[in-house]
Amino acid sequence: DQQVKQNSPSLSVQEGRISILNCDYTNSMFDYFLWYKKYPAEGPTFLISISSIKDKNEDGRFTVFLNKSAKHLSLHIVPSQPGDSAVYFCAASAMGYGNKLVFGAGTILRVKS
Amino acid sequence: NAGVTQTPKFQVLKTGQSMTLQCAQDMNHNSMYWYRQDPGMGLRLIYYSASEGTTDKGEVPNGYNVSRLNKREFSLRLESAAPSQTSVYFCASIEMGLGGSEQFFGPGTRLTVL
Repeated sequence: DQQVKQNSPSLSVQEGRISILNCDYTNSMFDYFLWYKKYPAEGPTFLISISSIKDKNEDGRFTVFLNKSAKHLSLHIVPSQPGDSAVYFCAASAMGYGNKLVFGAGTILRVKS
Repeated sequence: NAGVTQTPKFQVLKTGQSMTLQCAQDMNHNSMYWYRQDPGMGLRLIYYSASEGTTDKGEVPNGYNVSRLNKREFSLRLESAAPSQTSVYFCASIEMGLGGSEQFFGPGTRLTVL
């Protein structure tokens, strides 16, 4: 039973356009959400996060939106660049769970130049 | 400042062999974690250590043991490797906070069990 789901295994976008990666969760106890980016043969690196008390967090080209009622979050990358091509993991945690993260299966993003 | 380091980078084992994956962090973080990554499964938590001297099971602990040797080091041991343990293993660390901090990951160990 996956508590965090990324239903799109892959996404292909043209350079300069918007990339939208989606994530759904089932556990209403989750109160903090993160996106990680992973290149081949490297460990995941933190990209951006959002607390459940917010519905939007922006950092440069990256914006994360949270819709708590729908248990859905999305990552927007604008404009997309070829260097953004990577696997993106959505993760969630809950206060009191020892900072443990529950990860989605990941979405492979390919940005074409 | 190397962050989180893992050794070895690659390992091939035969079924039944044992080995220890090493992890160290130089960021003075309290909490450390071991994950495995399998295709289509994301990262799954094997064991974690909230602080020096404590360890707890994660989502998929069977077949593994861990040791929090000191604040810097957290090792993962496979006592009798099985083909189902073929995976990429990641170690991560985090500074103890309010549950809102990001984890820092090592580069991974790619393990194949024949």
